[in-house]
Amino acid sequence: GQNIDQPTEMTATEGAIVQINCTYQTSGFNGLFWYQQHAGEAPTFLSYNVLDGLEEKGRFSSFLSRSKGYSYLLLKELQMKDSASYLCALPKAAGNKLTFGGGTRVLVKP
Amino acid sequence: DAGVIQSPRHEVTEMGQEVTLRCKPISGHDYLFWYRQTMMRGLELLIYFNNNVPIDDSGMPEDRFSAKMPNASFSTLKIQPSEPRDSAVYFCASSLGSGRAEKLFFGSGTQLSVL
Repeated sequence: GQNIDQPTEMTATEGAIVQINCTYQTSGFNGLFWYQQHAGEAPTFLSYNVLDGLEEKGRFSSFLSRSKGYSYLLLKELQMKDSASYLCALPKAAGNKLTFGGGTRVLVKP
Repeated sequence: DAGVIQSPRHEVTEMGQEVTLRCKPISGHDYLFWYRQTMMRGLELLIYFNNNVPIDDSGMPEDRFSAKMPNASFSTLKIQPSEPRDSAVYFCASSLGSGRAEKLFFGSGTQLSVL
């Protein structure tokens, strides 16, 4: 089976940095996804990590440690529009079946 | 491309009524997924199709739920009879290919309220 843990909510200030952690247990690792979901909208893809290390994509970076069952999403230079839920997800080996964590709601304050 | 298209956006119905949710995946995508999202349980996979064939329906909560995909461009999720606990946002998503790195493209969702 698969189990994913994320904090429920975080608050940060505009212009600051926030790190959203995700710990997981899985019987077979096939990479890890991060999705962003604004209130009332659909989730949208942010990143996919399958190898250890940090991958940077503009203001957003995602880190993975397979040995520790741990990932984080780093949001830099926070903007008001970054207020959203961030979902960590694990795929099964076949068929792209994704299991999502409960999501972390990030509130960016002025 | 128009993306994944779902209808209706909002549905309000009374307990016991039949509800049908519709989805048009992105053209050329081989996989179609139905998810349900609630505050309590988060985003849960109900069922998914590959090339119009149901592959895994283990997430379908009970026999009241059924899903079909008669062709590559259309799928339905039906609840009969509906109950208040079915109130949730139902998302349809599609993806291209079977690689583990394939990302999902979600529709805008259907907000279902069963009174």
